Amino acid sequence: QSALTQPASVSGSPGQSITISCTGTNSDVGGYDFVSWYQQNPGKAPKLMISEVSNRPSGVSDRFSGSKSGNTASLTISGLQAEDEADYYCSSYTSISTWVFGGGTRLTVL
Amino acid sequence: QVQLQESGPGLVKPSQTLSLTCTVSGDSITTGTYYWSWIRQPAGKGLEWIGRIYSSGSTKYNPSLRSRVTITVDTSMSQFSLKLSSVAAADTAVYFCARVPSFDRFFDYWGQGILVTVSS
Repeated sequence: QSALTQPASVSGSPGQSITISCTGTNSDVGGYDFVSWYQQNPGKAPKLMISEVSNRPSGVSDRFSGSKSGNTASLTISGLQAEDEADYYCSSYTSISTWVFGGGTRLTVL
Repeated sequence: QVQLQESGPGLVKPSQTLSLTCTVSGDSITTGTYYWSWIRQPAGKGLEWIGRIYSSGSTKYNPSLRSRVTITVDTSMSQFSLKLSSVAAADTAVYFCARVPSFDRFFDYWGQGILVTVSS
């Protein structure tokens, strides 16, 4: 199984919106609504931000939203804040009952 | 509040077997409503799913690691364990354990991670 494809980096100014894409195949992203997104700060464990494409766990800001079209999922962060600067990873369940992650995207808040 | 804690040696020699344990507290590992997973992350790189186990002992592994990985569960100790054989420098990484609700497919709770270095 190949890693999902994410841009290596994205950036935005405070208050702006950014979108991170996550591209897979019909065997993972396109085949299931089991895409999740994680935020990881340096030296910390990943934190679940979005589950099942677009569900936001309790306690996660509503500035975070997720969507999917075909084999590509997206994470959008609106009203960008300095505290959002982190690495973001997508993950998908696969047709062989495994999980695959994206390569990660470094978000820089300018 | 569910907590997961990894433990084990931080240094393993090449060709030997890496062994880690994840202790679960705040929830029962035997409820049968969760999968328990191992995930790793080499320094400066992305996350890689290693495998998962159910409380019954049923396992599933990453095809790229399947020949070297064994995950077991000890429900009496509320622990699950990872063994990775024939390690090499490329297996140097931070290893995380995590929980997956069995009717869902996301990792909702994670351990803090443990750095394992493969070096002679």
